Amino acid sequence: GAVVSQHPSWVICKSGTSVKIECRSLDFQATTMFWYRQFPKQSLMLMATSNEGSKATYEQGVEKDKFLINHASLTLSTLTVTSAHPEDSSFYICSADNVAGEETQYFGPGTRLLVL
Amino acid sequence: LAKTTQPISMDSYEGQEVNITCSHNNIATNDYITWYQQFPSQGPRFIIQGYKTKVTNEVASLFIPADRKSSTLSLPRVSLSDTAVYYCLVAKYSGGGADGLTFGKGTHLIIQP
Repeated sequence: GAVVSQHPSWVICKSGTSVKIECRSLDFQATTMFWYRQFPKQSLMLMATSNEGSKATYEQGVEKDKFLINHASLTLSTLTVTSAHPEDSSFYICSADNVAGEETQYFGPGTRLLVL
Repeated sequence: LAKTTQPISMDSYEGQEVNITCSHNNIATNDYITWYQQFPSQGPRFIIQGYKTKVTNEVASLFIPADRKSSTLSLPRVSLSDTAVYYCLVAKYSGGGADGLTFGKGTHLIIQP
């Protein structure tokens, strides 16, 4: 199956700083990538849809100025959490849509963010 | 997006076959059914995907009746390592890519020795 990686796997930062998370599709090209957030003992919640070469589409209630998304190439999307606060602490997971293959979304391993 | 309903939790024993059923009464014509497995602190892992009838791969089978209003994930001979949360999702695939997925609560499967 297709492989999606994320970096870093975990990050601890101070309140007020910005954190960048990378999502890469390793063996396929992804026109569309998705960003999800998962709080403890809860399900994944879609935050935004990232399209290569265009602006991301954000779900209702997700602040686009706080969660900056850049999809500069067909294999890389980045999520930057700006001015992070403790309530942003969560598990962030990306997925990529293998359109050329079996049209299945493949997920990255996730990034654990802890804001102190 | 079609809403899905699945049991919150299930228990079984090693070596048994486990069937998890998911209801999706308002599934649309161009919706596919996909199942994912998630372990704690890991991203969801793709298990199987289907549109109708039966699909089988090396890890599971997916049974979809003719009306497609439900689907059943079948895991043969489970082991302790199959303890995880299993998500049933319904999403549109139109050749131009998928929409973002709406996750339900999933089924927490616990396998005992």
